[in-house]
Amino acid sequence: DAKTTQPNSMESNEEEPVHLPCNHSTISGTDYIHWYRQLPSQGPEYVIHGLTSNVNNRMASLAIAEDRKSSTLILHRATLRDAAVYYCILRADAGNNRKLIWGLGTSLAVNP
Amino acid sequence: GAGVSQSPSNKVTEKGKDVELRCDPISGHTALYWYRQSLGQGLEFLIYFQGNSAPDKSGLPSDRFSAERTGGSVSTLTIQRTQQEDSAVYLCASSLLAGMLYEQYFGPGTRLTVT
Repeated sequence: DAKTTQPNSMESNEEEPVHLPCNHSTISGTDYIHWYRQLPSQGPEYVIHGLTSNVNNRMASLAIAEDRKSSTLILHRATLRDAAVYYCILRADAGNNRKLIWGLGTSLAVNP
Repeated sequence: GAGVSQSPSNKVTEKGKDVELRCDPISGHTALYWYRQSLGQGLEFLIYFQGNSAPDKSGLPSDRFSAERTGGSVSTLTIQRTQQEDSAVYLCASSLLAGMLYEQYFGPGTRLTVT
């Protein structure tokens, strides 16, 4: 299974943009890149996903490198509520494989 | 609408006892997933259901762990003869379908403590 590598922690100031990097050098052509986040004492929540093109939604933007070996989750204006652990996950549908392989994620602290 | 619910929210049990954890997925979601998360760790996949069948049980740690889903809805994760290393938060998620394009919605989890 392809793996992802993320920094253990990052820090940002409120109302500033945040760029959360993820390396996935062994990604295969059929792997989608998913991002979830987990607020303290809660289950994870979906943020965004993409395959090759950059993606935008109401929560964030996802920038995917041309070679797909890395991606960056962009929070345009961090708020205190964005303090969470952010997980970058590869998801492939090979045969009956529907599972997500989770790493340790990046713990984002947002300073007021 | 109602999200994924799990019960109990907390469970403390003695080593060697059996426990049952319940998950109520979002109505209409055909895919259901079980994960566990140990303290300070990422999520560990356990099993997923498509309808009532479980095509992928590869993540179950041992034969003490089993899961079932009935009526394409509620799922129960059973741990027999619990051990201290089973202590973790058990998370359930559901999605409309099992394909990679469908986001997973997570419940709040059941915190299991084995003493």
